[in-house]
Amino acid sequence: QKEVEQNSGPLSVPEGAIASLNCTYSDRGSQSFFWYRQYSGKSPELIMSIYSNGDKEDGRFTAQLNKASQYVSLLIRDSQPSDSATYLCAVERVYNNNDMRFGAGTRLTVKP
Amino acid sequence: GAGVSQSPRYKVAKRGQDVALRCDPISGHVSLFWYQQALGQGPEFLTYFQNEAQLDKSGLPSDRFFAERPEGSVSTLKIQRTQQEDSAVYLCASSLGPGAKTGELFFGEGSRLTVL
Repeated sequence: QKEVEQNSGPLSVPEGAIASLNCTYSDRGSQSFFWYRQYSGKSPELIMSIYSNGDKEDGRFTAQLNKASQYVSLLIRDSQPSDSATYLCAVERVYNNNDMRFGAGTRLTVKP
Repeated sequence: GAGVSQSPRYKVAKRGQDVALRCDPISGHVSLFWYQQALGQGPEFLTYFQNEAQLDKSGLPSDRFFAERPEGSVSTLKIQRTQQEDSAVYLCASSLGPGAKTGELFFGEGSRLTVL
């Protein structure tokens, strides 16, 4: 079992819709969770971080964390074509020297 | 510099050749990570440093891969006797380190290695 699992997609949504991205992790000791966006041919860039159970909103993005279920999600409201990218879930494993592991990513396409 | 700098950006190597990839992290960043990213895949963990200490090298695919960060700043990833399966983008990332308010990783542009 990989440390971080994501649906590889691709996920396609129409412009203006909500895109929902999911991630599960295996290490119960994980404390910090991140969503990175990676455009084709570019390096990942951070879009959201979440550290405690519940929801965290930042503009059109909402991250959700459920530590009991070892589940993290990202919602993108009012999706735009510019949101088309691969979204990577990352988990910081505090009890493994704070190393950072990534999922395989979910490719999102927002169609105009 | 302002960001993480990696060199070379592109490297073409003949099978069997040795290569060295350099990463210059953001000044003051304690943690430094190396990842390997194949086309269409997420970043696969290779190794991790806190300052000069290599805390985890469990992701290095074979003993042909070696990484160092001797003075706790610049890091080098060396691949000996390159094979075609080593072709990938090698990403370096740095962060403030444990205890910082944020665990955000800052990535370099990557080094794209093609082994012929």
